[in-house]
Amino acid sequence: DAMVIQNPRYQVTQFGKPVTLSCSQTLNHNVMYWYQQKSSQAPKLLFHYYDKDFNNEADTPDNFQSRRPNTSFCFLDIRSPGLGDAAMYLCATSRSRDSFEKLFFGSGTQLSVL
Amino acid sequence: AQSVTQLDSQVPVFEEAPVELRCNYSSSVSVYLFWYVQYPNQGLQLLLKYLSGSTLVKGINGFEAEFNKSQTSFHLRKPSVHISDTAEYFCAVSFVSSGSARQLTFGSGTQLTVLP
Repeated sequence: DAMVIQNPRYQVTQFGKPVTLSCSQTLNHNVMYWYQQKSSQAPKLLFHYYDKDFNNEADTPDNFQSRRPNTSFCFLDIRSPGLGDAAMYLCATSRSRDSFEKLFFGSGTQLSVL
Repeated sequence: AQSVTQLDSQVPVFEEAPVELRCNYSSSVSVYLFWYVQYPNQGLQLLLKYLSGSTLVKGINGFEAEFNKSQTSFHLRKPSVHISDTAEYFCAVSFVSSGSARQLTFGSGTQLTVLP
């Protein structure tokens, strides 16, 4: 009974070829997050949705976009992937944006850029 | 500036030995503190959190952590580790602000390797 599901587990794309990663949740949480985690580094928040309200981090490149068509699904679009975008992408959810709320993570999508 | 520092990137330890993973933070505002664990090829899972009250917090899998406000630390401990505890451990700090968006910052992680 996975609660935050990310597909695919591994994604390979070519330099400059658009790619979309998907995330779904069965928790009915209001907030969904996308994190980028490069090898041996901390997860870095790219953006989050609070309900339908999109919140971008100041240092997230324009190359990264997101869509949340409904409560359950959230997509990460990389318009023109570069070699530096190869990383693990983690989706997470929380009930609210309160600072004390814990995050529920998916298993991640490992993106390779050739 | 607000930051989180995990002092050890790698901690090897023998099975059944005790372990401490260190975490320090810097903040000018109140904080909530978390430890997450990441097993190979998986997402992060919450081990424990400190919000208020007792400074000693117990979590899953026999782990505990102690909040030390004067030293701005939140070290993770386990008295006897198992092979299955081998994983990456992330300290995370939520800086409490009056804004609408939470600010959660992860440390760089500590790889715990339990040796037989």
